[in-house]
Parts: sequence; structure tokens; C-alpha cells
Amino acid sequence: GAVVSQHPSRVICKSGTSVKIECRSLDFQATTMFWYRQFPKQSLMLMATSNEGSKATYEQGVEKDKFLINHASLTLSTLTVTSAHPEDSSFYICSARAWAEGANTGELFFGEGSRLTVL
Amino acid sequence: GNSVTQMEGPVTLSEEAFLTINCTYTATGYPSLFWYVQYPGEGLQLLLKATKADDKGSNKGFEATYRKETTSFHLEKGSVQVSDSAVYFCALMNSGGYQKVTFGIGTKLQVIP
Repeated sequence: GAVVSQHPSRVICKSGTSVKIECRSLDFQATTMFWYRQFPKQSLMLMATSNEGSKATYEQGVEKDKFLINHASLTLSTLTVTSAHPEDSSFYICSARAWAEGANTGELFFGEGSRLTVL
Repeated sequence: GNSVTQMEGPVTLSEEAFLTINCTYTATGYPSLFWYVQYPGEGLQLLLKATKADDKGSNKGFEATYRKETTSFHLEKGSVQVSDSAVYFCALMNSGGYQKVTFGIGTKLQVIP
């Protein structure tokens, strides 16, 4: 099946620094990727929709300048948490939508997630 | 807006017990419904799905039926195994041009030998 790889799986950084998380679709082209944030004992919160070659669409309440998303190719999207603070510590998950030729399967494929800890 | 409500858990069952995880939803139109599973240390993966009313999704012994009249998509399995221990997420995808996926809170299942 389709595979989405996310890197790094864990990252610890100091407050005020920036962290980049990569999301790659390994065996399919993903024109659309999604970035989620998962809090303990809470559901996945959609942060933004990343479209190849265009600006990301952010959900209400998500700071565009704080969470920079770049989708430069059909297989790679990146999330950069700028000037990270302890409240940004969370589990970030990317996903990509697989499209069967001529039809929308609707299925999402998820990366393994990235645990960010900001000291 | 769309929303998905599922029991929070954790749910603890003995091996071979019957499992039900309730899921109800609120949505406009005719959404597609999904169950995703997240095993410890891994990302989410699709377990099963149903795209229209009365459809039954099934996989690995798990089943869920799309009930429009009760706006529900309950997950069931007749006999759980220790390897089924995971977090289960109910989700919906609205129909139409912007197919955003909305997730429930996730239900942790622990199966003990």
C-alpha cells in the first residue's frame, strides 16, 4: 500500500529556535498533503492543507507565520515551526491523499508522526 | 460544522471478548465514514470505510455499518485479540469540493490475555 514517511520522529529544541519536519510520499504522488496536531487524549486537529505548487490553506486559529508549510514537489511537504515555544510541544502528523486514476478513493495515508519537545 | 463523537475509553477487554466502539456524527450532505487505527508507536492507518448509507465496511474481523437514520458508524469485532490493542479513530469526510476529514477523539483499546 501507499507509504508516507515523516522525519524526524522525535526532536527536542530550545525555545526560540525553528524546527523543520518533512513529510514524503514514497510510492505515489500527493498533490495534497495535510498537517495535523495531536494533543494528549485529544483528536487530531487539522492545521493546514498543503497543495503542491501553491500556498497552504490554514484552518482558523492556526498562525500562518508560526507554522510555515511548503509543498515544493508532488512527494514532499515540510512544516517549519518558527521561534518554537514550550506550548508548541506536541505530536505533529502529516497525511497524504491517494487518488486512484479517474476516481477519488478518499483514503488518507499517514506518516508516523513527529514528537516535538520545546525546552 | 461537521463533528464526530466517540467514546473516549480506555476500553479494557479480555481476549476473545466482543468489542463495540460507538461513533456518531454530525454532517451536512452524505459524508464518507472511516475507522482508522493507530498502533503503539506508529502512524494512523485505515481500518475500514463506508461511502454511503447501509454500506458495511469490514477488515481484519472488524465491521461497521453506515446508519444514516441514527447517524452512527459503530465499530464491532466478535473476538478481540491482544494484537488489536491500539487507538481507534472514527472519522468522516464531507462530500463536495473541499473534502476535509474530521476525526473523533480516539478510543484506546487494551486487550489483556
